[in-house]
Amino acid sequence: GDSVTQMEGPVTLSEEAFLTINCTYTATGYPSLFWYVQYPGEGLQLLLKATKADDKGSNKGFEATYRKETTSFHLEKGSVQVSDSAVYFCALSLYSSASKIIFGSGTRLSIRP
Amino acid sequence: DAGVTQSPTHLIKTRGQQVTLRCSPKSGHDTVSWYQQALGQGPQFIFQYYEEEERQRGNFPDRFSGHQFPNYSSELNVNALLLGDSALYLCASSLEQGQGSPLHFGNGTRLTVT
Repeated sequence: GDSVTQMEGPVTLSEEAFLTINCTYTATGYPSLFWYVQYPGEGLQLLLKATKADDKGSNKGFEATYRKETTSFHLEKGSVQVSDSAVYFCALSLYSSASKIIFGSGTRLSIRP
Repeated sequence: DAGVTQSPTHLIKTRGQQVTLRCSPKSGHDTVSWYQQALGQGPQFIFQYYEEEERQRGNFPDRFSGHQFPNYSSELNVNALLLGDSALYLCASSLEQGQGSPLHFGNGTRLTVT
């Protein structure tokens, strides 16, 4: 079935370090891909998305490129900040409405000052 | 502009009881989806409501049911609670199925079944 696999956490980095969180997917058809973020005490927020192969989603310094050949959507940021500490979820949807989303298990990121 | 609001924030129930969770969508949104997030896991899709009807459903038993009201708010009902139903229940709203608009999530209701 359709699924998302992302690297297990927790991931701990120092401020200004480079971040990569790996994500791969299995899907029938052509999914839309997302990264959601859950800050402590807050609800899930859409961080970025890509709807077709080779699209690059970006927001708040984060980027991810939809790679159909490797079925991947890795999240990257060049210089992380303490405020980036959160749980990050890779996700996909097979419906244009994006209402039925399949999430990965999440990666907890902690940034040391 | 109020976002998605859920109530209550926390709830403790006993096995076998029934529970109702409530959700008010973001202003202007007409589609509501519910997700279950177990501790340390990603959210799992329960179902979606649009125009007061269940439009899509995930792999959840019939003990999980819902309702959408004319003002677009929604309820999630769970009957015959099991210990495994303990989780964070998230409501998400969006603008009209098929539009491709992003989901807006509430902060969730933490349900504990003892």
